[in-house]
This record gives sequence, structure tokens and C-alpha cells, in this order.
Amino acid sequence: GQSLEQPSEVTAVEGAIVQINCTYQTSGFYGLSWYQQHDGGAPTFLSYNALDGLEETGRFSSFLSRSDSYGYLLLQELQMKDSASYFCAADNYGQNFVFGPGTRLSVLP
Amino acid sequence: DTEVTQTPKHLVMGMTNKKSLKCEQHMGHRAMYWYKQKAKKPPELMFVYSYEKLSINESVPSRFSPECPNSSLLNLHLHALQPEDSALYLCASSQDRQGFEQFFGPGTRLTVL
Repeated sequence: GQSLEQPSEVTAVEGAIVQINCTYQTSGFYGLSWYQQHDGGAPTFLSYNALDGLEETGRFSSFLSRSDSYGYLLLQELQMKDSASYFCAADNYGQNFVFGPGTRLSVLP
Repeated sequence: DTEVTQTPKHLVMGMTNKKSLKCEQHMGHRAMYWYKQKAKKPPELMFVYSYEKLSINESVPSRFSPECPNSSLLNLHLHALQPEDSALYLCASSQDRQGFEQFFGPGTRLTVL
């Protein structure tokens, strides 16, 4: 099976940088995705890591360490619109796809 | 077109009703997914179709019955549901079953009375 852990809540101010961590335990692992979900909305894809290292997409970056079963999402230059829930999700060679419990990010003015 | 559409947006049904949820995408994606999401919880994978064949069924009760009529359409047939089945049902699609970049529809908010 697969299980993922994330902090339940993170708070930061506009313009700041925030890191959301994700640890996973899986019987098989292919890659780690990150999704954003605003209240009342659908999840939207942010980033994906299959290999160790950092992937950068605009203000968002994601990191993976397969040896540590650990990844994080880094959000820079925070904006109010970034207030949302963020989920890491692990896929297991296309056999399964499991979301973490989610981290609620609140961005304060 | 990078959109996944779902109908209806809201559905209220009794425990003896039969209803269907519909999902459509025109991105040429060959994998489609059904998820269930309860309030303040992550999406939970229910079914995966890959090339119009059911490839994953996450031990979902038989009162939920998926169908993939063609590569663009995905249905979820509902019958004899329980109140605890009330949730947001999300459809998603991806290029293939590897599935890391999934495009989600807006969901159907289901209430079972």
C-alpha cells in the first residue's frame, strides 16, 4: 500500500517563501505530483518529480529525494490567491495513485 | 481544448434511485479516472480506465458501476447508494495511465437522502 504525510496547515505572509513537505511510504513508487485545490474547486496540477532533484515552474518548485522518500513544494513570492489546499500524490507504476492528506496554506496580507 | 466537463453539477438522490454521472474530455487522453472526495479530505481513487478498459478498481462497492463508452466519455452509474456516499465526485483524465499530470473536471456534488 501507499501512505503519505503532510503538515495539516501552513501560514505565511504575502511575498514570503513557504515549503510544504511530503513524506511517503509505498510498496512501489514511480513519481510524486503536486496539486492545488481552492475551496469549492477542482484539483489543478502543479508539478511532478520522477527523478531526484528540483523542478522549477515559475513561482513553484518541487523537490524529490527518492532515497529519503521525501519531497517538498516550494512556493515563492506568495500571493493571496495562493491560499488553498496543496496535495502531494504518489503513483505506483500506474497501478495506483494516492493523494496525501493535504496542507491548508493561508496567505496573510 | 484542455477541459474536462462533468454533468450534473449537483445531484440529490434517494437510496432507491438509479442515476448516472457523466464526464467528457476532448484532449485525446487515453486514461480517465473517477475520484471521491469528502469535505476537507483528499481525493480517493475509485476507478481508472486505460484505453477504454478498466484497469484499476479500488475495491469500490458494486453500487458504483463505471462505464467507458469511448475514449472521450466516462460514466459512473449509481444505484442503491447510502447517505455516507454523499461527496464530491471528480473525474480526471491524463495522457496515459502513468497519470502524473491529471486534468480534473469541476466535479458533481452528490447528496444521498
